[in-house]
Amino acid sequence: GESVGLHLPTLSVQEGDNSIINCAYSNSASDYFIWYKQESGKGPQFIIDIRSNMDKRQGQRVTVLLNKTVKHLSLQIAATQPGDSAVYFCAGFMTTDSWGKLQFGAGTQVVVTP
Amino acid sequence: NAGVMQNPRHLVRRRGQEARLRCSPMKGHSHVYWYRQLPEEGLKFMVYLQKENIIDESGMPKERFSAEFPKEGPSILRIQQVVRGDSAAYFCASSPGAYQPQHFGDGTRLSIL
Repeated sequence: GESVGLHLPTLSVQEGDNSIINCAYSNSASDYFIWYKQESGKGPQFIIDIRSNMDKRQGQRVTVLLNKTVKHLSLQIAATQPGDSAVYFCAGFMTTDSWGKLQFGAGTQVVVTP
Repeated sequence: NAGVMQNPRHLVRRRGQEARLRCSPMKGHSHVYWYRQLPEEGLKFMVYLQKENIIDESGMPKERFSAEFPKEGPSILRIQQVVRGDSAAYFCASSPGAYQPQHFGDGTRLSIL
């Protein structure tokens, strides 16, 4: 099975609320993760990354939390806007490959409702 | 500051024909990756290349598929004798090095008639 996966296929959020997207990973994933946003008809867009020496990292309206104990990370989007509607992927570098293969989860579709 | 450029954006082929997908990495990036995405699914790794070298092709079918990244020019993903099951979106990504964030193009949507 996949070593990087997401809990929910779809997340419906009201405009203005905060969104939380979760991701779990297995032992074969390294502690370096990237969140991508993919809008319809486009390629994945880098949002934010986090390395193993950090528990939390903040960007513009986004925060990523990494819990190495339970092998879980999350992406929080503050004050969700219609433009945040997209599929969000977490991806982790695999430690089993010498060059660091990036393994993608299945994705969570975020739908922002007015 | 151009990003990863892929062309064509859409490609239609009949069964048995060849498909050629092109990817120009971001400026300064010498590492190129190809992924395949089916509708409603995540990205599946196909191949990783550096200039003139295939580093890892473990995700690419052994038959009909090939990839190259020549010293000059774009990276090419080539699919010979296409079949209906090859219909998918193919994405290219590039990075300045290994274990670095990969930046993606907007993909080529391949449709097989």
